[in-house]
Amino acid sequence: DTEVTQTPKHLVMGMTNKKSLKCEQHMGHRAMYWYKQKAKKPPELMFVYSYEKLSINESVPSRFSPECPNSSLLNLHLHALQPEDSALYLCASSLGTLLAGGPTSYNEQFFGPGTRLTVL
Amino acid sequence: AQSVTQPDIHITVSEGASLELRCNYSYGATPYLFWYVQSPGQGLQLLLKYFSGDTLVQGIKGFEAEFKRSQSSFNLRKPSVHWSDAAEYFCAVGNFGNEKLTFGTGTRLTIIP
Repeated sequence: DTEVTQTPKHLVMGMTNKKSLKCEQHMGHRAMYWYKQKAKKPPELMFVYSYEKLSINESVPSRFSPECPNSSLLNLHLHALQPEDSALYLCASSLGTLLAGGPTSYNEQFFGPGTRLTVL
Repeated sequence: AQSVTQPDIHITVSEGASLELRCNYSYGATPYLFWYVQSPGQGLQLLLKYFSGDTLVQGIKGFEAEFKRSQSSFNLRKPSVHWSDAAEYFCAVGNFGNEKLTFGTGTRLTIIP
């Protein structure tokens, strides 16, 4: 299995709702990422989990709450979002620095298809 | 800090013609360089990568890229484009020591018959 899956594909939520995005990979990768992508822009990194520990938080507002329950699964919990949070949310995974053992596979990220989020 | 510049926002190419997408990077050490492609509403697919060794890198879908250290460039090329190549192309640079990727602003490729 060489893919990253994301559910749901589309999500519409109100500003008072609580919802979660899910990401899964079965490639044995130990680094997982959340990105936010607005239209016609490159992906912006939000969070990185390395070996199930949060290693990078790019000053993301607390209304976004990541969770990594195990090495294959990554969630993004959403609460009290704003309309400007509407975007494509991408999950990615990579081998992870310790397992990579060098530059041969390091930093090569595999992306999921994304969740299109609309906040009303 | 590392950075990536893709000077062309939008390129239009006739089907069957050759293609070159430009990418310039700024990074203090040897960079790890990537090209990704994104179809509308989809995730990113890795086309090719450069870590070290041969400066001409072959990728999927008939794409290749050449690393030129003297010009800080990593341009993407394809000898003959197909209509299915129409997409957004992102160049990215990674650095040793963390898992961050820095993306360029992207180049949108349009193919005309």
